[in-house]
Amino acid sequence: GDSVTQMEGPVTLSEEAFLTINCTYTATGYPSLFWYVQYPGEGLQLLLKATKADDKGSNKGFEATYRKETTSFHLEKGSVQVSDSAVYFCALSDTGGSYIPTFGRGTSLIVHP
Amino acid sequence: DAGVIQSPRHEVTEMGQEVTLRCKPISGHDYLFWYRQTMMRGLELLIYFNNNVPIDDSGMPEDRFSAKMPNASFSTLKIQPSEPRDSAVYFCASGGRWTGDADTQYFGPGTRLTVL
Repeated sequence: GDSVTQMEGPVTLSEEAFLTINCTYTATGYPSLFWYVQYPGEGLQLLLKATKADDKGSNKGFEATYRKETTSFHLEKGSVQVSDSAVYFCALSDTGGSYIPTFGRGTSLIVHP
Repeated sequence: DAGVIQSPRHEVTEMGQEVTLRCKPISGHDYLFWYRQTMMRGLELLIYFNNNVPIDDSGMPEDRFSAKMPNASFSTLKIQPSEPRDSAVYFCASGGRWTGDADTQYFGPGTRLTVL
């Protein structure tokens, strides 16, 4: 079945540091790929998405590129802020299948001033 | 739109009591999902509905859990009787195939359940 693997956290960075959170996936079809973010005490919300190979999703300074050859969708940001502290979830949705998303375990990001 | 609405936001109850969690999805969305989040297990899909019909409840942990969707704007998740191991944050999410953004899930703020 479909699966998503993301790096374990917590990831701890100083403000203005470069961020990478790795995500790889396994899917039988041609999935859409997502990053969701969960701020403390809140539900998950969509951060960015990509629907086909080589697409780049971007939002709020975050980027991720759909790499079919390496089955990856790594999240990056050039300069993190304290307000980026949250849990980040990589997910996929098999557009040719059940539509039901598969989520990774989440990676906690802590940014210090 | 107000987004997905869940109530209550916090629930503290004693073991053996019945607990009912409520969800109002985004208007026009035809999919509704119930999730449970714990530190140990992460985010688990419990059940989902399409057009008010339960499609897959294989994630429901046991018969103590039940979910209903009597109409397009309301769903409940019931636990009877509740046990301490049910303590978790329960999320409702909705999505709409007609929106052109079919795969995106919109989450509510969650209900934090504590069973003593």
